[in-house]
Amino acid sequence: DAGVIQSPRHEVTEMGQEVTLRCKPISGHNSLFWYRQTMMRGLELLIYFNNNVPIDDSGMPEDRFSAKMPNASFSTLKIQPSEPRDSAVYFCASTRDGGRTDTQYFGPGTRLTVL
Amino acid sequence: AQTVTQSQPEMSVQEAETVTLSCTYDTSESDYYLFWYKQPPSRQMILVIRQEAYKQQNATENRFSVNFQKAAKSFSLKISDSQLGDAAMYFCAYYRDDKIIFGKGTRLHILP
Repeated sequence: DAGVIQSPRHEVTEMGQEVTLRCKPISGHNSLFWYRQTMMRGLELLIYFNNNVPIDDSGMPEDRFSAKMPNASFSTLKIQPSEPRDSAVYFCASTRDGGRTDTQYFGPGTRLTVL
Repeated sequence: AQTVTQSQPEMSVQEAETVTLSCTYDTSESDYYLFWYKQPPSRQMILVIRQEAYKQQNATENRFSVNFQKAAKSFSLKISDSQLGDAAMYFCAYYRDDKIIFGKGTRLHILP
């Protein structure tokens, strides 16, 4: 099993540009989470999906952020327009809901730098 | 490559008792950070405690403390006087150079 796959691993962009982060969960997992990690705020949950449906997006910082999950094997997190304060590491994680322990599997993260 | 292992997928503890969650990691580095995060049913991640590897003194935060054994690469979390609100998933994490690696989590049940 390849685990959770995220792309790109690193993204450097200029303020105002659109950024799209991608995630492929583990096959068979039906819950997917997007997190943002900074040293200042730690790990923040942005949004999570269950069976491709957004369940809680209260962590999405503002309208510049949007997330989609068009099918069970793919999700995107988009920032438009990007700002320097969006610089962080963005993690995707998946879990098999209904499993006994809700073990979460984290992807390697995407390091976003907005200049 | 660095790895983080939480060997207990699930644990239970009686309210007011003490419980210890285990975490081991693998790294060849000497400077890094270690974290414990709590994820309650709301799914938000809450930072419980952090430890700088260069500090020998174990970090404590109220009822939460760690037993950091650098040579053994062990970082266990002790929760004293367990409360019903402590029920959650707990994740151990290793951080260095903007790279963070999480364990798979331990689900903690608090028995009234």
